Amino acid sequence: GQQLNQSPQSMFIQEGEDVSMNCTSSSIFNTWLWYKQDPGEGPVLLIALYKAGELTSNGRLTAQFGITRKDSFLNISASIPSDVGIYFCAGQLSGNQFYFGTGTSLTVIP
Amino acid sequence: DSGVTQTPKHLITATGQRVTLRCSPRSGDLSVYWYQQSLDQGLQFLIQYYNGEERAKGNILERFSAQQFPDLHSELNLSSLELGDSALYFCASSESGTGFAGDPEAFFGQGTRLTVV
Repeated sequence: GQQLNQSPQSMFIQEGEDVSMNCTSSSIFNTWLWYKQDPGEGPVLLIALYKAGELTSNGRLTAQFGITRKDSFLNISASIPSDVGIYFCAGQLSGNQFYFGTGTSLTVIP
Repeated sequence: DSGVTQTPKHLITATGQRVTLRCSPRSGDLSVYWYQQSLDQGLQFLIQYYNGEERAKGNILERFSAQQFPDLHSELNLSSLELGDSALYFCASSESGTGFAGDPEAFFGQGTRLTVV
């Protein structure tokens, strides 16, 4: 299957710090999505990106669709304890096939 | 609450057994997607149904099958269970289902945690 390389695999940060994670692939994607999954819950869509170079914010979250269309980035500013969870990227290829990244586990230390 | 309901929440069963997982999509959603999430594999797309018809197949084993009923709820049947089938199984639903294996408009249920012992 398609490989979406998500990094880092896990992060341990202090409350108030900014967070950056990214997702890369060897394929060109038409859509990039970022999800958050809380323990015991299903993934929830945070941000959807539809155009190369697009920069979209959702509160303290900002995501970018890479210019090459092979990558995407998610930044969280001024992290808070409720940011804890697993963040997944997902990409949609031209044939509408979706693939999910392996996730970044975020721990915020108060 | 996403509006997608999955039952049961937890299931423990023995190897070789058969189980059925149920998903009720959001009101008005015609498309249902099933995913498997295990610790080492991440989210893997299994199968998609749209308005009762199978639309796309992913990494679904032959021991697994699914269907979508006229009332649009869906069931995922897992048979001859093995230890490696232990995972979280998610259902997601969306109105249009134009994407294959996923949809930005889709909402996920809370999942069913299957443990095979």
